[in-house]
Amino acid sequence: SSELTQDPAVSVALGQTVRITCQGDSLRSYYASWYQQKPGQAPVLVIYGKNNRPSGIPDRFSGSSSGNTASLTITGAQAEDEADYYCNSRDSSGNHRDVVFGGGTKLTVL
Amino acid sequence: QVQLQESGPGLVKPSQTLSLTCTVSGGSISSGGYYWSWIRQHPGKGLEWIGYIYYSGSTYYNPSLKSRVTISVDTSKNQFSLKLSSVTAADTAVYYCAREHHTTIFGVVIIYYFDYWGQGTLVTVSS
Repeated sequence: SSELTQDPAVSVALGQTVRITCQGDSLRSYYASWYQQKPGQAPVLVIYGKNNRPSGIPDRFSGSSSGNTASLTITGAQAEDEADYYCNSRDSSGNHRDVVFGGGTKLTVL
Repeated sequence: QVQLQESGPGLVKPSQTLSLTCTVSGGSISSGGYYWSWIRQHPGKGLEWIGYIYYSGSTYYNPSLKSRVTISVDTSKNQFSLKLSSVTAADTAVYYCAREHHTTIFGVVIIYYFDYWGQGTLVTVSS
């Protein structure tokens, strides 16, 4: 099965811009979706598709994609953005039915 | 607003079967167009997809868990359920139910995403 690879940890200074990446062959066939998870809470969808934000997600969150890499960008990171971030797509190898998640990136806002 | 709520025992003995139910409100499972999934998260670890079911009853499971997993749906109650057999301590995790949506472009599905999640329920496997 295909895998999605994320950096385990990233840090950003308050108010600065940070990019979290996700790599995998399946991203050549599918757009990634991105989830924010804070301690003790369920994941929350923040970006899906080319660059779509669900209602209620601040516009400082944006997404992009190129080749086998998807990126989540937070422009002007806030303290409340400190969380784990996961990417997700379907596995494009085989029958495209498996769901895959990246290992997650822990974002620290300094 | 769609809401999902997991329910079931928080403690299961080794070798027994873990059983959880997800109750969906604010929308009908029978309306179609979505895959209803179970996802788990081991303590301090990442997300692991377990499997999903369509309203028609068709299922698909993570190959690594397939031999022990059964997901079923009860459209009359607007619920779907997870059974995981022969559990061990390695199955201790927070279990989430979630709705997977998809978007097509020119008839081809290219975006899958989980738009609604339950709050999660911790299941501990211990004697």
